[in-house]
Amino acid sequence: GENVEQHPSTLSVQEGDSAVIKCTYSDSASNYFPWYKQELGKGPQLIIDIRSNVGEKKDQRIAVTLNKTAKHFSLHITETQPEDSAVYFCAASMGGAAGNKLTFGGGTRVLVKP
Amino acid sequence: KAGVTQTPRYLIKTRGQQVTLSCSPISGHRSVSWYQQTPGQGLQFLFEYFSETQRNKGNFPGRFSGRQFSNSRSEMNVSTLELGDSALYLCASSPGQGAHEQYFGPGTRLTVT
Repeated sequence: GENVEQHPSTLSVQEGDSAVIKCTYSDSASNYFPWYKQELGKGPQLIIDIRSNVGEKKDQRIAVTLNKTAKHFSLHITETQPEDSAVYFCAASMGGAAGNKLTFGGGTRVLVKP
Repeated sequence: KAGVTQTPRYLIKTRGQQVTLSCSPISGHRSVSWYQQTPGQGLQFLFEYFSETQRNKGNFPGRFSGRQFSNSRSEMNVSTLELGDSALYLCASSPGQGAHEQYFGPGTRLTVT
């Protein structure tokens, strides 16, 4: 089955700096890659996603890039703010017979220091 | 639109008991998936329902089961609870089948003593 690895597990940045989280996936059949932000006591919140026919997607301060050949994708957060502090998860999905099943990475705890 | 709702939010059960958790998806969404979140194993897929049919199932024992009703609301049941079942159980709602965006509820925190 699909396996998703996420690095780093923790990330501490100064407010205003950029943060980058990287994920690799194992199954080339995966075609949908969402990113979630989870704050304490809450469920994961979808913040951005990318499909395999797109190489890059941007939404204000966050962007995601996808390299299908290397089977890795990354989340970039620019001009970080204290409210960006949370745990971030990447995930991969194949669709088709696998339906909406998401395989998640292990998570990255991001701390933005004011 | 209201988001995904899950009830109850917190639950304490004893080993050997059974538990039923409920999820109401976003209005109009027909797919509901369940995930278990633990510090050790992270987020793991339990199963997905679409139009009252189980579409996919993760690697969990048969003690974990679910169902979906005609109004797309879903329940999951865990029988013969074990200490290791203590976790945050998350429900995710999606408009359709196949690699669609999923929106999570706040989860039900289950503690087994």
